Amino acid sequence: DQQVKQNSPSLSVQEGRISILNCDYTNSMFDYFLWYKKYPAEGPTFLISISSIKDKNEDGRFTVFLNKSAKHLSLHIVPSQPGDSAVYFCAATNFGNEKLTFGTGTRLTIIP
Amino acid sequence: NAGVTQTPKFRILKIGQSMTLQCAQDMNHNYMYWYRQDPGMGLKLIYYSVGAGITDKGEVPNGYNVSRSTTEDFPLRLELAAPSQTSVYFCASSDTNQGYNEQFFGPGTRLTVL
Repeated sequence: DQQVKQNSPSLSVQEGRISILNCDYTNSMFDYFLWYKKYPAEGPTFLISISSIKDKNEDGRFTVFLNKSAKHLSLHIVPSQPGDSAVYFCAATNFGNEKLTFGTGTRLTIIP
Repeated sequence: NAGVTQTPKFRILKIGQSMTLQCAQDMNHNYMYWYRQDPGMGLKLIYYSVGAGITDKGEVPNGYNVSRSTTEDFPLRLELAAPSQTSVYFCASSDTNQGYNEQFFGPGTRLTVL
């Protein structure tokens, strides 16, 4: 039972355009969501997060949007840069839970 | 501050051999985790620990063992390696004081069982 789903295994975007990565979840107990970025041969690194009390969180070129009614979140990267080419994992948890539930990842390729 | 370190980076095992994957963190985090990542899949939790002396099973614990004798170290033991354990293994740690669980990952160990 996949509680966090990233239905697009890959995405290609032209440099300078907007990249939109999507994530859906099924567990209504989740109230905190994170995005991780992973380069080849490296561990995932934390990128940005959002609490369920918000519907948007912004950090530089990265913005995460949360639609609780649809159980959907998205990561927007604008403008996209070649260094953004990586695998992006969505993860979810709830307050006090020591574990994260990860999606299967989306490989983003930025085309110069 | 090295963060989370893992050794070795790569290892090839024969079926039935055993080995220990090492993980250490210098951030004084209480929580530590072991994940495996198979091609095209997400991160699956193997075992985790909420403090020295306390460990618990994750989603895919079969074939693995862990121990946590210190805050810093969280080794993962494979007793009888099987081809199904070919994967990339990541160790992570987090700080419980935040309430929410932002985990910091090591660089990974790529294990092949032949």
